[in-house]
Amino acid sequence: QKEVEQNSGPLSVPEGAIASLNCTYSDRGSQSFFWYRQYSGKSPELIMFIYSNGDKEDGRFTAQLNKASQYVSLLIRDSQPSDSATYLCAVMSGGSNYKLTFGKGTLLTVNP
Amino acid sequence: GAVVSQHPSWVICKSGTSVKIECRSLDFQATTMFWYRQFPKQSLMLMATSNEGSKATYEQGVEKDKFLINHASLTLSTLTVTSAHPEDSSFYICSARALGLYQETQYFGPGTRLLVL
Repeated sequence: QKEVEQNSGPLSVPEGAIASLNCTYSDRGSQSFFWYRQYSGKSPELIMFIYSNGDKEDGRFTAQLNKASQYVSLLIRDSQPSDSATYLCAVMSGGSNYKLTFGKGTLLTVNP
Repeated sequence: GAVVSQHPSWVICKSGTSVKIECRSLDFQATTMFWYRQFPKQSLMLMATSNEGSKATYEQGVEKDKFLINHASLTLSTLTVTSAHPEDSSFYICSARALGLYQETQYFGPGTRLLVL
């Protein structure tokens, strides 16, 4: 059973702070890792993806991957109230079915 | 990024009727589309994988005769909820696998909110 675990939160940070979201996965064969943002009542929106160990930065977002520890994280710098949403970690395993396994999501609240 | 549309965005129907939801990839071809369901305050639940030109693959516990999936072209997949009942009320979201110019991942449609009375 492939599992993706996230702290459900809620995670509350003040505006301008760094929000740190964490995710662990069970399948060592996993190859691709994604972070989606889902606002209440809306569908998920892709924020970032990462394949290789290390950090990947895109604007205020940084994804970090450590395959040895089976751990992936998302850092949001200079958090804004508009970042308040549920963040979903998703993992794509090797193989040909291209299915994503999602975590249950972490609810982030950025307080003005 | 890749754009996926869904139609309708919301639907209210009487118990026992069938509802068809369309999922379209607008600016790319999608050989594979996925159908999810999400109940309030819960995570996404994958219902089925839809491959163009072949039968859909359903997840365990999902009734294939109740949730009919057709993926007749590279840009369109449809989900039909047959004989809908109040317990089928949910947020149905499709996603499409993008290749080529876009990142190999799933891009989601805006979702269809179904309310069965």
